[in-house]
Amino acid sequence: DTGVSQDPRHKITKRGQNVTFRCDPISEHNRLYWYRQTLGQGPEFLTYFQNEAQLEKSRLLSDRFSAERPKGSFSTLEIQRTEQGDSAMYLCASSRTGGATAEAFFGQGTRLTVV
Amino acid sequence: GESVGLHLPTLSVQEGDNSIINCAYSNSASDYFIWYKQESGKGPQFIIDIRSNMDKRQGQRVTVLLNKTVKHLSLQIAATQPGDSAVYFCAEIPTSGTYKYIFGTGTRLKVLA
Repeated sequence: DTGVSQDPRHKITKRGQNVTFRCDPISEHNRLYWYRQTLGQGPEFLTYFQNEAQLEKSRLLSDRFSAERPKGSFSTLEIQRTEQGDSAMYLCASSRTGGATAEAFFGQGTRLTVV
Repeated sequence: GESVGLHLPTLSVQEGDNSIINCAYSNSASDYFIWYKQESGKGPQFIIDIRSNMDKRQGQRVTVLLNKTVKHLSLQIAATQPGDSAVYFCAEIPTSGTYKYIFGTGTRLKVLA
């Protein structure tokens, strides 16, 4: 297993367009997280899945944002009607319950630029 | 690649010296505290964690210290190497039943040759 994989690595889109990002977690990990990171800031929590259930969503996640994890494996994050303020790095992370540490493994992120 | 944390506090350390990176946290009920390292263009990478019932934990070349009285966390890196140059973030996991990680403001570590 090569770790958490995110696709695409970079996305440039025009304001108002919809975009979808994909995350493939580490295969035995049942927890999956989405974060957003802007320059100069630490990652901000967006949402969290345990298996296919979305258990928590941040207030940052407006109704233009939706995340799914239909079979408890990969996840998608869709942003509708993108705005320039959505420009950021979108990070996915995964972890497993009962692990020896609190470690969440992060992917390389998807860099979104809204023009 | 694009830099992470262009306007972050910066710690410059001579190669071979020890580094100490500090972090203040806000939630006294947090259960776990974690340090992550982030290199430019990459996702955060786990370094070490510590549970709230401990005050010190050591890893390979790294030590994390937790002072719950003043809500302070520090990361000590021994014999700092050029490959340690990155932005370092502390994170906490609240005990409220959520598993989200709350990240602090990062510190950029620059290792001088």
